[in-house]
Amino acid sequence: DAMVIQNPRYQVTQFGKPVTLSCSQTLNHNVMYWYQQKSSQAPKLLFHYYDKDFNNEADTPDNFQSRRPNTSFCFLDIRSPGLGDAAMYLCATSRDPLGPAKNIQYFGAGTRLSVL
Amino acid sequence: GIQVEQSPPDLILQEGANSTLRCNFSDSVNNLQWFHQNPWGQLINLFYIPSGTKQNGRLSATTVATERYSLLYISSSQTTDSGVYFCAVASNQFYFGTGTSLTVIP
Repeated sequence: DAMVIQNPRYQVTQFGKPVTLSCSQTLNHNVMYWYQQKSSQAPKLLFHYYDKDFNNEADTPDNFQSRRPNTSFCFLDIRSPGLGDAAMYLCATSRDPLGPAKNIQYFGAGTRLSVL
Repeated sequence: GIQVEQSPPDLILQEGANSTLRCNFSDSVNNLQWFHQNPWGQLINLFYIPSGTKQNGRLSATTVATERYSLLYISSSQTTDSGVYFCAVASNQFYFGTGTSLTVIP
C-alpha cells in the first residue's frame, strides 16, 4: 500500500505557467519534505514542514513555494517555471526531523515535470 | 554541511556477482539510510543503519559511525538490482550522497 502518494506522476507545463504538484501521506508523520532531482544528480532538499512550521533551504529559489493545509497534504507551487526547473520532484515524510530513529524518510514515487 | 561521498560512481556486474558500495561522510550523524532508486525514479528504503550491521535477504549493510563510513553489500546480484544506490545521512538536516549507478547484465 502506497504510504506517500504523489500526483500526478508526470506533469507537463509551459514556460512561465504556474504549476502545482501534490503529495499526501497516510503515515501521520509530522514532517514533509520536497526534493528536486535533476538527471544524474542526487536529490536536493528544497524545503520541509515540521507540522505547520515551514523551513526553507537557503538556496531554494523564490519561484518555489509550498503549502501544507493539514497533516496529510503538502503542495509544491512553482510560480513561473523555467526550462531549468524540469526535474523529478520527490516528496518524503518522517516522524521527526531530528530525533534518532524518528527521522527515517519515506519517499513517494515522484512527479516528473517537463517545461515546454 | 556534511559531505557525503559514494564509491564507485558506476559499477557494471554480471548477474550472480557480488559487490560492495561505500559511503563516506564528513561528520557525526544520527541517521543513515541506504536507498535504491529504480528506473522509474522512486527511492526505495533499503536500510536505516546509523550504526551496526543489518541484513535483508541478499543485501546487508554495515555502518562504522566512529570511522564515518557505511558499506552496502549486494550478493548474487540480479538484473532487478540495477539502478542508482544512494546513502543519505542526517544530523540536523538530510544530506544525500553522490550515488552509485549499478548495472547488472544477464
